[in-house]
Amino acid sequence: RKEVEQDPGPFNVPEGATVAFNCTYSNSASQSFFWYRQDCRKEPKLLMSVYSSGNEDGRFTAQLNRASQYISLLIRDSKLSDSATYLCVVNRGSTLGRLYFGRGTQLTVWP
Amino acid sequence: EAQVTQNPRYLITVTGKKLTVTCSQNMNHEYMSWYRQDPGLGLRQIYYSMNVEVTDKGDVPEGYKVSRKEKRNFPLILESPSPNQTSLYSCASSFRGSGANYGYTFGSGTRLTVV
Repeated sequence: RKEVEQDPGPFNVPEGATVAFNCTYSNSASQSFFWYRQDCRKEPKLLMSVYSSGNEDGRFTAQLNRASQYISLLIRDSKLSDSATYLCVVNRGSTLGRLYFGRGTQLTVWP
Repeated sequence: EAQVTQNPRYLITVTGKKLTVTCSQNMNHEYMSWYRQDPGLGLRQIYYSMNVEVTDKGDVPEGYKVSRKEKRNFPLILESPSPNQTSLYSCASSFRGSGANYGYTFGSGTRLTVV
């Protein structure tokens, strides 16, 4: 079983839509969780960390469910500029040494 | 400007010819890491380093070497490149923070082709 699994999509949504991505991880010892976004032919960029209590940054909300070992990302009021691949990232242990990346979920927002 | 700098951006080489991809960060980060990214496989960790002279293997270390003699630099060495090492290579760095919630900053990538 892979360390991190994501639905690859693609998700095609109109501007203004709400879209949600889920991600599951296999190792219950994992301690830190992140969502990255990667634009075509660009490097991954940190979108947000995911905290146990859930956290929000503008139109983006991240949730963590440790019991079920899944992480979610909700994007409200989608913009054209949100089109990208979203990567779920999990680290094992208390350091950032071992990071595991999901294969990414592709999102296209159309006008 | 805070950044992770990789060189070269593009490289075409022949099988067996040793090469080094350099990575440098100016943020005084403790952690540095190398990844390769391949279609359908996503990002896979090659090696990582938690501080100077401290390195460890990731998921796909075979065929690669690293060193961390200075905090800012973390070069990736391919002693005898083979065509299956054709890939996009990314270097990343991060602070060591409590809760480990800082995440990594990535360089712009090195696209390597081995013929």
